Amino acid sequence: QVQLAQSGSEVKKPGASVKISCKLSGYTLTDLSILWVRQTPGNGLEWMGGFAPERDETIYAQKFRGRVTMTEDTSTDIAYMELSGLRSDDTAVYYCVAEWELLYWGQGTLVSVSS
Amino acid sequence: EIVLTQSPGTLSLSPGERATLSCRASQTIRRNFLAWSQQKPGQPPRLLIYAISSRATGIPDRFSGSGSGTDFTLTISRLEPEDFAVYYCHQYDTSVTFGGGTKVEVK
Repeated sequence: QVQLAQSGSEVKKPGASVKISCKLSGYTLTDLSILWVRQTPGNGLEWMGGFAPERDETIYAQKFRGRVTMTEDTSTDIAYMELSGLRSDDTAVYYCVAEWELLYWGQGTLVSVSS
Repeated sequence: EIVLTQSPGTLSLSPGERATLSCRASQTIRRNFLAWSQQKPGQPPRLLIYAISSRATGIPDRFSGSGSGTDFTLTISRLEPEDFAVYYCHQYDTSVTFGGGTKVEVK
């Protein structure tokens, strides 16, 4: 049984950074590709990036390139997503998801950006 | 970027009725990498269908997917009370993009 357990809600000021963790259990990070998706009322579901096994690298959506960094610690099976230069329109629920079919989802992390 | 357009935006039906949801792509999805998910309030989406027509583990056979090229359909043969939710298509052929969703509501 694959489970993805995300870190808790965050409140940030504009311009700050946020780093969300995603603990995988039931598999190891070497077995699955982890992607990050966010959901906002205005823009619906947005893919931010993820590990592409056919390229053996993490790829990022153009919209977030330069502001987002996705990393993985295979010793603990924890994936991280850090988003910098936060703006009010980055307020969203952020999800880690396993596999490109979006097979397994974390429970989501609410990030609120407000001055 | 492949743009996915879902229609209708809202579908009002009664339990037991058939639901037909559409997802149209702005360009051909070459590797059949088109999926459907269901989302209920306060929950993350749940994968229903991947590779156009393959049901994910544990998904009832009243859910079926079809289509090719740029036009895809999710069909729910007989709506159960738990099927009233928002449905999203997404393609994972070229990066990932999502449709805007179709809400299936009780008539």
